[in-house]
Amino acid sequence: NAGVTQTPKFRVLKTGQSMTLLCAQDMNHEYMYWYRQDPGMGLRLIHYSVGEGTTAKGEVPDGYNVSRLKKQNFLLGLESAAPSQTSVYFCASSYSNRRTYYGYTFGSGTRLTVV
Amino acid sequence: GIQVEQSPPDLILQEGANSTLRCNFSDSVNNLQWFHQNPWGQLINLFYIPSGTKQNGRLSATTVATERYSLLYISSSQTTDSGVYFCAVVLKTSYDKVIFGPGTSLSVIP
Repeated sequence: NAGVTQTPKFRVLKTGQSMTLLCAQDMNHEYMYWYRQDPGMGLRLIHYSVGEGTTAKGEVPDGYNVSRLKKQNFLLGLESAAPSQTSVYFCASSYSNRRTYYGYTFGSGTRLTVV
Repeated sequence: GIQVEQSPPDLILQEGANSTLRCNFSDSVNNLQWFHQNPWGQLINLFYIPSGTKQNGRLSATTVATERYSLLYISSSQTTDSGVYFCAVVLKTSYDKVIFGPGTSLSVIP
């Protein structure tokens, strides 16, 4: 049981390049999330998904796109990377009984540097 | 939007000491969670605690939802407790979103 797996773990991009971060979970969780973590700012929600085929914007969605074509996968895309997107990106998943959350599990993170 | 504040921002403890971390939130929440991020970056859920008190070993947490705060108690601290502690809230108005506080950075020294 791998839990939540993020790939890649590290990446360096040049300004303007594009890339996709992959998050995969094997717990059959409905909900999946992408966060970014910057020094002194905690974790900020970028986008999230409440089920296959659905996505929604979080606190800081600009410059990112997401897709959830399969329940177990949640992809985060950067179409034209900017230095301000240098950060550590975390994926998480959870399930819910429509009133509260359970099983909140994080991946190990992706450290992205845009030069 | 909802404001989530944590105090203190930084804390240094001698091994064996006790500590209390606080989380204040500005709006009604459906749930509140405490997480620990270890020095290697791994995030682990410690408690789901929308109200009341829970205990897990040396850690316990109390949430007073009517007064919009939660406390995390660490007793007999160990060096492995070092890291950043985050509280995160689930809004009553938007149960899909989990909003994190800025964290408390804890260093436990031998």
